[in-house]
Amino acid sequence: NAGVTQTPKFRILKIGQSMTLQCAQDMNHNYMYWYRQDPGMGLKLIYYSVGAGITDKGEVPNGYNVSRSTTEDFPLRLELAAPSQTSVYFCASSYRGLAKNIQYFGAGTRLSVL
Amino acid sequence: AQTVTQSQPEMSVQEAETVTLSCTYDTSESDYYLFWYKQPPSRQMILVIRQEAYKQQNATENRFSVNFQKAAKSFSLKISDSQLGDAAMYFCAYRSAISNFGNEKLTFGTGTRLTIIP
Repeated sequence: NAGVTQTPKFRILKIGQSMTLQCAQDMNHNYMYWYRQDPGMGLKLIYYSVGAGITDKGEVPNGYNVSRSTTEDFPLRLELAAPSQTSVYFCASSYRGLAKNIQYFGAGTRLSVL
Repeated sequence: AQTVTQSQPEMSVQEAETVTLSCTYDTSESDYYLFWYKQPPSRQMILVIRQEAYKQQNATENRFSVNFQKAAKSFSLKISDSQLGDAAMYFCAYRSAISNFGNEKLTFGTGTRLTIIP
């Protein structure tokens, strides 16, 4: 069972560069989420999606963009990387209406912006 | 907005002993879910246990149990017979039960780092 797969696992960016963090799930979940985890802190929601073509901002969306063209994939885009975006990024998914919406997490992407 | 507070940044326990991790939350809602997630050094977030607010009975999963006090807005995690593999960051999380667009996100506490002493 693959579950939620995130790529890459690690990445170093220079200030001003852009990149896309990939997230894919094979559980046919309609809800997907992007969180960031700063050192010593809990996870904070960046963006989420309730289905293909439907996304919305979370608590900390500035500097990020998302798209959801398929049920399986939910990429997170950083357009102009800044040091404040150094963090660990987690993608999660859940199936609304089943099992009380347990969110299943990927293994995370550690991003450093230098 | 809901908030989740974990007041113990670090805890330690002797192997085979019992430890309790604290969590309090603030909400004006009456129906919600509470979760404990474990994050080992591998970073993978793993669900440990879940509690539904409208259920009086405390949830239990093998060596893990919760003490859910709805009136006090408290949700502590008890780990019995602690094992070396229990060493991890533990996060308490809240989710609204209201099925509106955007309510299904988790609100996390800042975590408690648990160390198991052999």
